[in-house]
Amino acid sequence: AQKVTQAQTEISVVEKEDVTLDCVYETRDTTYYLFWYKQPPSGELVFLIRRNSFDEQNEISGRYSWNFQKSTSSFNFTITASQVVDSAVYFCALSEEDQGAQKLVFGQGTRLTINP
Amino acid sequence: NAGVTQTPKFQVLKTGQSMTLQCAQDMNHEYMSWYRQDPGMGLRLIHYSVGAGITDQGEVPNGYNVSRSTTEDFPLRLLSAAPSQTSVYFCASRAGWSETQYFGPGTRLLVL
Repeated sequence: AQKVTQAQTEISVVEKEDVTLDCVYETRDTTYYLFWYKQPPSGELVFLIRRNSFDEQNEISGRYSWNFQKSTSSFNFTITASQVVDSAVYFCALSEEDQGAQKLVFGQGTRLTINP
Repeated sequence: NAGVTQTPKFQVLKTGQSMTLQCAQDMNHEYMSWYRQDPGMGLRLIHYSVGAGITDQGEVPNGYNVSRSTTEDFPLRLLSAAPSQTSVYFCASRAGWSETQYFGPGTRLLVL
């Protein structure tokens, strides 16, 4: 069975610090997709990034960067120079393909608090 | 496009009552899903649909029914609400050519 583990339940840092959110996954599939979603205090789920299992290149988008390592089954998310607006719950998710349907398996989430 | 919409935003039910959570999308997406979010457990898949007329169960389907009579709509029915169904419910959709699911704003349900 597929599984996603976000071992950090809560993280609190001071603004402008860098912070890394960890995500470890388990799957037997050779083709899969990994995702990060952000859930701000308003409650909606905002898509941040998708990575497929054949692309291990790190990705950077502004202050956000993602490190995908198949050897350690990890897909970590780093926020550089954090800001108060980054405060949210962040979810890592793994897709499971089943007869054409994509089922997302989510981690438990990491609550990130950025203090001014 | 309005994207994925959900109604109501918030609902209080008494144990044993039934209700339908509405979900609609205007992006002509083939795939739609329902998830529930409980504290400390992330989101879990309830039911999903790969197209009009086709539905299947996810990880936690008990107590819920779904139907998909049109591409746009994917309602979730609670037949006899229980306190264990107190949760936040999210509907999601994705296009057949994409691997990314987009979520609605959620419905917060409280069962007393």
